[in-house]
Amino acid sequence: AQSVTQPDIHITVSEGASLELRCNYSYGATPYLFWYVQSPGQGLQLLLKYFSGDTLVQGIKGFEAEFKRSQSSFNLRKPSVHWSDAAEYFCAGLSGSNYQLIWGAGTKLIIKP
Amino acid sequence: DAGVTQSPTHLIKTRGQQVTLRCSPKSGHDTVSWYQQALGQGPQFIFQYYEEEERQRGNFPDRFSGHQFPNYSSELNVNALLLGDSALYLCASSLRLAGITDTQYFGPGTRLTVL
Repeated sequence: AQSVTQPDIHITVSEGASLELRCNYSYGATPYLFWYVQSPGQGLQLLLKYFSGDTLVQGIKGFEAEFKRSQSSFNLRKPSVHWSDAAEYFCAGLSGSNYQLIWGAGTKLIIKP
Repeated sequence: DAGVTQSPTHLIKTRGQQVTLRCSPKSGHDTVSWYQQALGQGPQFIFQYYEEEERQRGNFPDRFSGHQFPNYSSELNVNALLLGDSALYLCASSLRLAGITDTQYFGPGTRLTVL
């Protein structure tokens, strides 16, 4: 069955430090992959998406993600986090002609001052 | 340009009641998807509407039904509410012609509490 897994429920990072959030997928073919951010009281906002081509994808707010087929991973990175990055981050995927997004359980990012 | 809007923001119901949630898509979008997000979990796909018809459905019982109007807005109806239906209900819109990879834009959600 198709699935998206985020192994870390919480991640705590000091402000200014680098960040990596993990995402693993299980699909028969290469899926389309997305990272969304959800701040309290706000809707989900797309950070970046991968369809094909260059495996390093740049997104908004200084985020990037790298698709690694050999590891079935699509990890999100940021070189230096800001307090405003504190939020919940979701990885999602879809494939083929199925418009149904399949979501990970999310990783809550906590920023230490 | 208004984004995706949902109403109401919050709703409290009791078990057995029925509820209707509403969604207006982003201007220019013709496809609406509904998701249920339980506390501490990722969203779960309920169904998707395009051209006023349900096109895809996730693993949800028939108590969950929907409708799409000619102006592309949509409603989600849940009958015979259960305590487990308490969740944040998210609406997302997209443009069908843009293809499967088109970005889905999400509304802020409706928080449903079933007592």
